[in-house]
Amino acid sequence: KAGVTQTPRYLIKTRGQQVTLSCSPISGHRSVSWYQQTPGQGLQFLFEYFSETQRNKGNFPGRFSGRQFSNSRSEMNVSTLELGDSALYLCASSLVLTGARSYEQYFGPGTRLTVT
Amino acid sequence: SQKIEQNSEALNIQEGKTATLTCNYTNYSPAYLQWYRQDPGRGPVFLLLIRENEKEKRKERLKVTFDTTLKQSLFHITASQPADSATYLCALTSPSTSGTYKYIFGTGTRLKVLA
Repeated sequence: KAGVTQTPRYLIKTRGQQVTLSCSPISGHRSVSWYQQTPGQGLQFLFEYFSETQRNKGNFPGRFSGRQFSNSRSEMNVSTLELGDSALYLCASSLVLTGARSYEQYFGPGTRLTVT
Repeated sequence: SQKIEQNSEALNIQEGKTATLTCNYTNYSPAYLQWYRQDPGRGPVFLLLIRENEKEKRKERLKVTFDTTLKQSLFHITASQPADSATYLCALTSPSTSGTYKYIFGTGTRLKVLA
C-alpha cells in the first residue's frame, strides 16, 4: 500500500504571497490532519479533516485554512505569508471505520516551506 | 495550559544498552498515548500506542509504560543499535464527548546510540 504523499516537497515563497500544499492519504484512510513543525515549537496541530469537514482546529490564525475532497485528498492554504511561517508542514492520515477510529497516524514526508 | 515534556533534548547511550525516554504531561487526561520516531528531514513514523487502561505495551525491542497517576510514560529500547538513533516523539490524544480531539506532541528526545 502506498504511503502518504505530499506535494510539493520544497517551496520558496515571498512574504505576502499565498501557498497551497497538497496531501494524498493512504488508500482507505479518511481522516487527514495537518501539522506545522519548527525547531522552536516542535510539532503543532493545525486541523483535521474527515468526510470533507473540518473536525478540529489548533490555535493558528485564520490565514491557515484547508479542505478535503471526496477522495479524501486534502489541501492546506496559507495566505499572506509571514517569515514565521517557514516550517516543515506535515500531513498525517488515519483510518476511520463506522463506529470506530484508529488513533495511529501515518505521516507524509512533509513540505519544506521557506518564506523570504 | 496543557503541556508535555520529554525528559531531555538529547540522550547518548552505548550500543547494546537499554535506552529509556520519558514523557511527562500536565493539565491533561489523555485516553491514548503514542510514540513516534522521526529521522532528519522525514515525517514521524508511528511506533506504539497505549491506552489509558493499559499499563504496558511491547513490540519487538520496544516497550512503553503508561502511568496515569504519575502522568508519565516511559519508552524503552532494549539492546539498542546505532540504527535506533533518531528523535523520538510522544503524543497524547483524548477524544471529547463531541467526537473531536486534538493531538498534542512533545518536542522530542534526540537519541544517539554510540557504536
